[in-house]
Formats: sequence, structure tokens, C-alpha cells
Amino acid sequence: GAVVSQHPSRVICKSGTSVKIECRSLDFQATTMFWYRQFPKQSLMLMATSNEGSKATYEQGVEKDKFLINHASLTLSTLTVTSAHPEDSSFYICSARDMGQGTTEQYFGPGTRLTVT
Amino acid sequence: LAKTTQPISMDSYEGQEVNITCSHNNIATNDYITWYQQFPSQGPRFIIQGYKTKVTNEVASLFIPADRKSSTLSLPRVSLSDTAVYYCLVGPTAGNTPLVFGKGTRLSVIA
Repeated sequence: GAVVSQHPSRVICKSGTSVKIECRSLDFQATTMFWYRQFPKQSLMLMATSNEGSKATYEQGVEKDKFLINHASLTLSTLTVTSAHPEDSSFYICSARDMGQGTTEQYFGPGTRLTVT
Repeated sequence: LAKTTQPISMDSYEGQEVNITCSHNNIATNDYITWYQQFPSQGPRFIIQGYKTKVTNEVASLFIPADRKSSTLSLPRVSLSDTAVYYCLVGPTAGNTPLVFGKGTRLSVIA
């Protein structure tokens, strides 16, 4: 199946700094990618929908100025956590569909563990 | 988007068949039913997807009744490595509509 990669796999940063997480579709093009966040023992929570060449759509309660999303190409979307705080520590997972297919599964990346100290 | 309801947890012994049922009463005509497996600190992994009746692949079967208001994931002869959280998701599979996750079912396989 199609592969979605994320980089880095884990990152530790100090409170107040910014962290960028990359999401790449390795063997397909994705005009739309999705970003999820998952806290320990909880389910995945959709944060935003990333659209190539346009602004992202954020879910209710997600601060667009804090979680900056850029989808500059058909294979890359980035999530930047600005002015990170300990409560932003979480597991961030991106996902994408192969837009070249009629109907298909939603592919998920391996996730990025963010720890803010 | 259709909301799903699954048991919070299930236990099973190795070698047994495990059936996890998901309710989705408000499923729409163009919605598919997809099951994912997630291990700790990993992204969800696709297991199986279906629209109606029965779908089978090398790892699982998916049973969907005619009214499509529920579905059952069947895992044959589970092993310890099948211990994970299983999510049932309902939604369109094309376009830019994302899958929305419910709470999932935590399956524990015991030796």
C-alpha cells in the first residue's frame, strides 16, 4: 500500500520554542492531508485538514495561529507548533488519501512524539 | 459524519476467534466502513474496508448486515501480537472528508 512518512519521529523542545513536523506521501500525490493529535490512552483527534495551495481548515477548538499548517506541494505538508508549551506534548499523526484513486483507504504516518519541557 | 459505538475493551485467549461489533446507526448512503488497528506509539494501520455484505482479506473478515447500521470485525485465531486498539470508522473514502475516530476497542490477547 501507499506510504506516508513523518519527520521527526520524536522531538523534545523547550517551552516557548517552535517545532516543525513534516508529513510526506512517498509514492502518491495528496491534494489533501489530515493532521491528528493523540494524548495517552485516548483516541485520535482531528486537528485540521491541509489543502495543497490553500489555507488549512481547522477543527473547532484548534488554534490556527498556534498550529501552523503549510501544504506547499502534492507530497508534503508541515505542521509547526509555535510557542510550544508542556500541554502541547502529544503524539501527532498525519494522514492522506491517494487522490489518483477513485475510492481508497486513508493512509496514516507513523506519528511524531512531541515532548515540551 | 456517522458516529460509531464499540465496546471499550475485550479480552481473548490466544488461538480464539475475536469478533468486535460496531454500531453506526446514522451511516449515510455513500459511507464505507473501515477498520484500523493501532499499536502504542504508532500510526493506525488499515485492516479492512467494506460497504455491504462480507469482505475478507488475509488478516480479517468484515460482516455488514443489509441495513448497514452495524458491522463486525472478525479476527481468526488471534495471537499475542494482535493486542492493540481497533477502531471502526464510517465515512466517504474519497475527496477531502477525513475519517473521524471514536474511542476504539482495546483488545488484550492472553496466552
